[in-house]
Amino acid sequence: GAVVSQHPSWVICKSGTSVKIECRSLDFQATTMFWYRQFPKQSLMLMATSNEGSKATYEQGVEKDKFLINHASLTLSTLTVTSAHPEDSSFYICSAQTEWSQGRAETQYFGPGTRLLVL
Amino acid sequence: SQKIEQNSEALNIQEGKTATLTCNYTNYSPAYLQWYRQDPGRGPVFLLLIRENEKEKRKERLKVTFDTTLKQSLFHITASQPADSATYLCALDMGSSYKLIFGSGTRLLVRP
Repeated sequence: GAVVSQHPSWVICKSGTSVKIECRSLDFQATTMFWYRQFPKQSLMLMATSNEGSKATYEQGVEKDKFLINHASLTLSTLTVTSAHPEDSSFYICSAQTEWSQGRAETQYFGPGTRLLVL
Repeated sequence: SQKIEQNSEALNIQEGKTATLTCNYTNYSPAYLQWYRQDPGRGPVFLLLIRENEKEKRKERLKVTFDTTLKQSLFHITASQPADSATYLCALDMGSSYKLIFGSGTRLLVRP
């Protein structure tokens, strides 16, 4: 159980185009989803937190107009990188968390990641 | 300043030995501390969670300790196997915000 998928697994795009990445929780309902970015040999950096049906909360330094996040259902969140540039090339990882009746679950379940290369 | 430090150098050990990885943090007061495994090009996989009021947690060959006075967690893999070779990440969970703050990870190499 607790499987999270991401699509696509990798994408190459031209500078100036937009790219959409999907994150799905396959066998549970995710009340909260998180989006991270990871550069080579570096740690995961949280970009934003999204709760189903509400606006995402972005971390300091992350441009909300550039990284559009939509969490329209309890099983799907999308991250759109708008007007992508080469410096946006990175490994994007989502995670999902559910909330039990007695409060939130403590574990985040991570997707396999999406590698973005902007030429 | 707030920091999470994991040994950036790879840990290279012989199969069958115990691997011990360290996670130190400063200027944080986490409610939980979590350990994840990450293989190249993949997302992290949850291994263990330990709460601030717990000293030790075990799961099969894995053991985690948490010393909130020293602000340190140790992660042990006993009877290590080549399949344990991966990068291991510690993450602080503040509790109320649900956010995880990750260390940069330590790469473990287990030689056959």
